[in-house]
Amino acid sequence: EVQLLESGGGLVQPGGSLTLSCAASGFTFSDFPMNWVRQAPGKGLEWVSAISSSAGTTYYADSAKGRFTISRDNSKNTLYLQMNTLRAEDTAVYLCATGLQIDYYFYYAMDVWGQGTTVTVS
Amino acid sequence: EIVLTQSPGTLSLSPGERATLSCRASQSVSSTYFAWYQQKPGQAPRLLIYGASSRATGIPDRFSGSGSGTDFTLTISRLEPEDFAVYYCQQYGSSPFTFGPGTKVDIK
Repeated sequence: EVQLLESGGGLVQPGGSLTLSCAASGFTFSDFPMNWVRQAPGKGLEWVSAISSSAGTTYYADSAKGRFTISRDNSKNTLYLQMNTLRAEDTAVYLCATGLQIDYYFYYAMDVWGQGTTVTVS
Repeated sequence: EIVLTQSPGTLSLSPGERATLSCRASQSVSSTYFAWYQQKPGQAPRLLIYGASSRATGIPDRFSGSGSGTDFTLTISRLEPEDFAVYYCQQYGSSPFTFGPGTKVDIK
C-alpha cells in the first residue's frame, strides 16, 4: 500500500524555522516527482513546491521562493521542506503528495496524498 | 502565473441531479496538464481527473472532465450522497502549479 506520512509540524514564532518530513512507503519513491501543498484553516489548497525524481529540478510558489527549500533523500524514501523566516500567513496544514505515473511518464499532478502536518506560526 | 477561476463558488443540488463545475484559466493550459480533485471535510484531497478528461484509478464513471485551452468542466452525471464535497481544479504544466479556489457542492 502506498503511504505518505508527514511529520515535523508544530508551533513556531514568527521569523523562526521548521523542517517538515514526508516518509514514503509502498512504491519506488525515487521514480516519482513529489509535491508539497498547504491548506490554511478554512481555506483552499495552495501548491507550495515540487521536486523532480532525481532532485535535479525544483519548483516554488512565489510565497515560498527564497524562504522554503524542498529536497529529498531517495536512499531514505523521504521528502523534506525546510521553511525559514516563517510568517503568520504560513500557518496551515502541509501535505505531501506523489506525482502521477501514466505508463512510462511522470507528471506533477498529485496522485497519492498524506494526511498532513500542522504548522502554526504565532 | 496562471490564475484559475472556478464557478460557481457553491452549487446546491439534490442527490441524483447533474452537477456542472467550471474552471477558467487566465492563459491557455495544455489539456495534458489539467486536473480535478475532490476534498471532503477532514480528509486529504483525492485526484479525480488528470489530463483534463482521464479518470484516476478507482474513480466512478459518473465523473467526467472536458475542456481545452482556457475553459474546463467537471461533470458529475448523477450526484451520490458521497459526492457532496469541495472540488478544485489545478494546472501542473507551468510552475507555479496553481489551484483554483474551489467549488463547494452541497445538499439542497
